[in-house]
Parts: sequence; C-alpha cells; structure tokens
Amino acid sequence: DGGITQSPKYLFRKEGQNVTLSCEQNLNHDAMYWYRQDPGQGLRLIYYSQIVNDFQKGDIAEGYSVSREKKESFPLTVTSAQKNPTAFYLCASSRGTGTERTEAFFGQGTRLTVV
Amino acid sequence: DAKTTQPPSMDCAEGRAANLPCNHSTISGNEYVYWYRQIHSQGPQYIIHGLKNNETNEMASLIITEDRKSSTLILPHATLRDTAVYYCIVKISLAGYQKVTFGTGTKLQVIP
Repeated sequence: DGGITQSPKYLFRKEGQNVTLSCEQNLNHDAMYWYRQDPGQGLRLIYYSQIVNDFQKGDIAEGYSVSREKKESFPLTVTSAQKNPTAFYLCASSRGTGTERTEAFFGQGTRLTVV
Repeated sequence: DAKTTQPPSMDCAEGRAANLPCNHSTISGNEYVYWYRQIHSQGPQYIIHGLKNNETNEMASLIITEDRKSSTLILPHATLRDTAVYYCIVKISLAGYQKVTFGTGTKLQVIP
C-alpha cells in the first residue's frame, strides 16, 4: 500500500543531544513537509521541500535541519539548539504542480520527549 | 495565505448531522477550501476540498457560500469515530506546494 511512514512512533532523548526523525513516502510525491504540534495547538510548519535537493524554512525552522537527497525521504534533525524540542512531529507529502489533487498525506507522527 | 476562523469546539449527538462552519473572508479567487481531521495522537486525514461548487464524497459534504467567504463541512450521520479536531484551510490547489498553516481547528465531540 502507498503511504507515508514515520519512525519511530515514540522517541526519548537526553537534553543536548541531536536526534533525527525519519520520514519516507512511496506515493511518488514531489513535495514533503515537517510540522510540529504542541498540546492543544495547531500544526506549525518547520521545513518544506518542493523537489529533491531543495528545501525551504517554514515558520519555526530555528533549531532544526533537514535534507532531501532522495524523493522518497525527508529526515528531520532536531538539534541541541532547539530550546523546547518535546513535541509531536508530523511529516506530510503532496503532489507537485499542475494537478488539482494536491491534498497533503500525513504520517502517523513521532512523539519526541527530551529529558 | 488566507486565514480561516473556526469555533474551538462543538458537540453533536450520535446519528445526527454535524455542521462545522469555517470563515475565510479573505480567500482569493484561485484558493480552494480544504478540510482535514485529526483523531487524537494521529496524523491529520484529508476529507474534502472545493473551489466554489458544493462537493460531496463518501466522507462528507462541503457547502461553500456564493461569495466564498465561508463554508460548512457536513458529516451527515455522525458516529463516535467522528470525534476529532477538524481543520479548515485554504490553498491554491494547482500550485502544488504552498506554505500551509493549520490553525487550532474545531474539536468535535460526538455524544452517544
């Protein structure tokens, strides 16, 4: 089945350590996104990528980094510079330009807890 | 991006229709209205989208006012499994990627 997979579902890290969240899609989508969600809040955009080897900062990119070396993969690294990294992280993908159906498909999320 | 306004919460009796409103008074002519829902601790799920005509699919109906400044998502026969947070967003569908912000949505509680 086609879909978008995030791993792991739960992740615990010590303060000051970098951690990388995985996101893989087999939907052949050009665009991929990372969102952060805090309790009772909406989704805030961290980074997005329209095409391989290109990505742009979203609204809250500080303390995060990404790469897009393959169309299928868009890993997110939460660095030690991120002041409040504990949150629910969601990855999404969508088709590219030129089609009406550009709705986003979301993964099931990774809940990161930094202690 | 056009902003949307939704009530923070709503209740609906099981089996009744759930009507979730969304205000998007600054929507542009080429922006579509999209609806997603998020069940607790899961990723959001796409429901439906539309430009100016009413739309219906197996999950829901979308009614967009003639001036396009507001819309209503209708779940015709709400079940307990429809309890979720519902997000209304607007985006340019044909643009492929567009920076999209999800607000806090409407928390729908379906009551037995």
